[in-house]
Amino acid sequence: EAGVVQSPRYKIIEKKQPVAFWCNPISGHNTLYWYRQNLGQGPELLIRYENEEAVDDSQLPKDRFSAERLKGVDSTLKIQPAELGDSAVYLCASSPRTGIFMNTEAFFGQGTRLTVV
Amino acid sequence: GQQVMQIPQYQHVQEGEDFTTYCNSSTTLSNIQWYKQRPGGHPVFLIQLVKSGEVKKQKRLTFQFGEAKKNSSLHITATQTTDVGTYFCAGGAYSSASKIIFGSGTRLSIRP
Repeated sequence: EAGVVQSPRYKIIEKKQPVAFWCNPISGHNTLYWYRQNLGQGPELLIRYENEEAVDDSQLPKDRFSAERLKGVDSTLKIQPAELGDSAVYLCASSPRTGIFMNTEAFFGQGTRLTVV
Repeated sequence: GQQVMQIPQYQHVQEGEDFTTYCNSSTTLSNIQWYKQRPGGHPVFLIQLVKSGEVKKQKRLTFQFGEAKKNSSLHITATQTTDVGTYFCAGGAYSSASKIIFGSGTRLSIRP
């Protein structure tokens, strides 16, 4: 079974440029997460989808970040314009289900390492 | 807001020694998960604890969930070089359905 697939693996851009990351979750997983991980820190949740609905985007900097999961399968995270402080690893994860007050394990992709220069 | 803290930040041990990392939440958790991230890799799920006072074992790894469901620990007995990596706890909050907050992790390095 294929795992969570992310692309690209690495991206270097100049500040003020746009950038997009793509994620294809494990087949059948309804829940999709985007996390940002800075060096030496734990993953920080940016947005969580249940199917195509964004159910938690409270940590997403909406002035420059946007995400979509149009058909409830793959997802795209965009930054426009990028800032130096956006340099980090962007991780996508998926889960087979979540219930009220109960999470199930998250399967992570390899991540996209973004460097803004 | 909810915070999940982990200590220590780093641990360097001789191969064969034991290792423990501790996780503390500012609020009561619905469940706690543990993940391992190898250098250059992505987090990989280890286990989930749900019940107050729960203890689970995976070979040399022992996971505990506190009685108040606000703290947890991971203990590795007789570490091996394959245990190298960063161990994260991730707490599920009651207040925000299905929201998971990751701790900052404990990086384990081992002297052969």
